[in-house]
Amino acid sequence: DVQMTQSLSYLAASPGESVSISCKASKSISNYLAWYQQKPGEAYKLLIYSGSTLQSGTPSRFSGSGSGTDFTLTIRSLEPEDFGLYYCQQYYEKPYTFGAGTKLELK
Amino acid sequence: EVQLQESGPGLVKPSQSLSLTCSVTGYSITSNYWGWIRKFPGNKMEWMGYISYSGSTSYNPSLKSRISITRDTSKNQFFLQLNSVTTEDTATYYCARWKGGYFDYWGQGVMVTVSS
Repeated sequence: DVQMTQSLSYLAASPGESVSISCKASKSISNYLAWYQQKPGEAYKLLIYSGSTLQSGTPSRFSGSGSGTDFTLTIRSLEPEDFGLYYCQQYYEKPYTFGAGTKLELK
Repeated sequence: EVQLQESGPGLVKPSQSLSLTCSVTGYSITSNYWGWIRKFPGNKMEWMGYISYSGSTSYNPSLKSRISITRDTSKNQFFLQLNSVTTEDTATYYCARWKGGYFDYWGQGVMVTVSS
């Protein structure tokens, strides 16, 4: 299975700051990577697919980059509603696998 | 808008079967693919499987022969059955629309505890 590693479990930031969340695959997955956001009591929200394509409705302050094994989700100028849990997921091959998640907390 | 809602018992005894329903509104399950994902305590997530618009299925090999995903198109619902559960199957279970690898619409999840 492709192992997905999110090196940071927690990340603390303040509104207005920019943050980057990294995700590393154990083998090349081209750009078959998605990013999700989860907030307590809410459904998961697909933010980005194909490594860098914003899902409809995702604010433009979100961006994704990378290909191969290293990927980054960047959030510019954090808004209060951006705090939550972020996951990456590869869909290069089955079984689809997820990173362990990065919790973005309010500093 | 596509909406998904999981339902099912919150407590299952070890060795029994876990059965969950995903009710879909705003979209027909005879289009697209529909999947199940679970999140364990501690936040690890696992893709379990999916069912296609035609009824074919694909499962995570880690679940071997314990899993079955079926559907009822007349009710626009699809189902998860996981047999011979253990405490390691304690998780929050999510249904979602599969979009060629990633999942674009999710339910809010249902927490299932396996305990005697």
